[in-house]
Amino acid sequence: DAKTTQPPSMDCAEGRAANLPCNHSTISGNEYVYWYRQIHSQGPQYIIHGLKNNETNEMASLIITEDRKSSTLILPHATLRDTAVYYCIVRSQSSGSARQLTFGSGTQLTVLP
Amino acid sequence: DSGVTQTPKHLITATGQRVTLRCSPRSGDLSVYWYQQSLDQGLQFLIQYYNGEERAKGNILERFSAQQFPDLHSELNLSSLELGDSALYFCASSIEGQGLEQYFGPGTRLTVT
Repeated sequence: DAKTTQPPSMDCAEGRAANLPCNHSTISGNEYVYWYRQIHSQGPQYIIHGLKNNETNEMASLIITEDRKSSTLILPHATLRDTAVYYCIVRSQSSGSARQLTFGSGTQLTVLP
Repeated sequence: DSGVTQTPKHLITATGQRVTLRCSPRSGDLSVYWYQQSLDQGLQFLIQYYNGEERAKGNILERFSAQQFPDLHSELNLSSLELGDSALYFCASSIEGQGLEQYFGPGTRLTVT
């Protein structure tokens, strides 16, 4: 699975959009981009995933660049409860690929009142 | 609430002892994954079971073992405990064996004294 690079920390004002970047320059054609988050000491929470098209769900939007070498997770109206470590994970969906999630260091997002 | 339950929430035990952590996956999920999160190692994959059979193994110590029962709940057994085994242990489940969207439980915090 491709390696990802994320900034270690970011701040965001409450009510504003939080844009979390992720670089995955070695991503291959069959690898998806997944985002999870972990609120302090709780179990990680699945947020969203995508292959090459932009995706949106009730939690967030995922924007993937055309060359697929980077992506941005957008929380449109951040709240204090969105303060968490956000993990960008690149995974293949092929049957022979590793099944576990490989968590890097992630980005600590702090939403400020 | 992810639908994954883990018991106990907290466990304090002494070195050399053996403990069992229990996980009940979301209804309908066939796969169970175990992860360890310690302060210095981050989230590390231990082992996966799919419909009762071991499917993938990570950096799981020989002192650790797991199984998945016919009702799909899983247990992680940790023996000959050492101080360094103190960590949060998370269980996750997914409906399929590829582990693409995993839903995590609240974790068991193990303290070895």
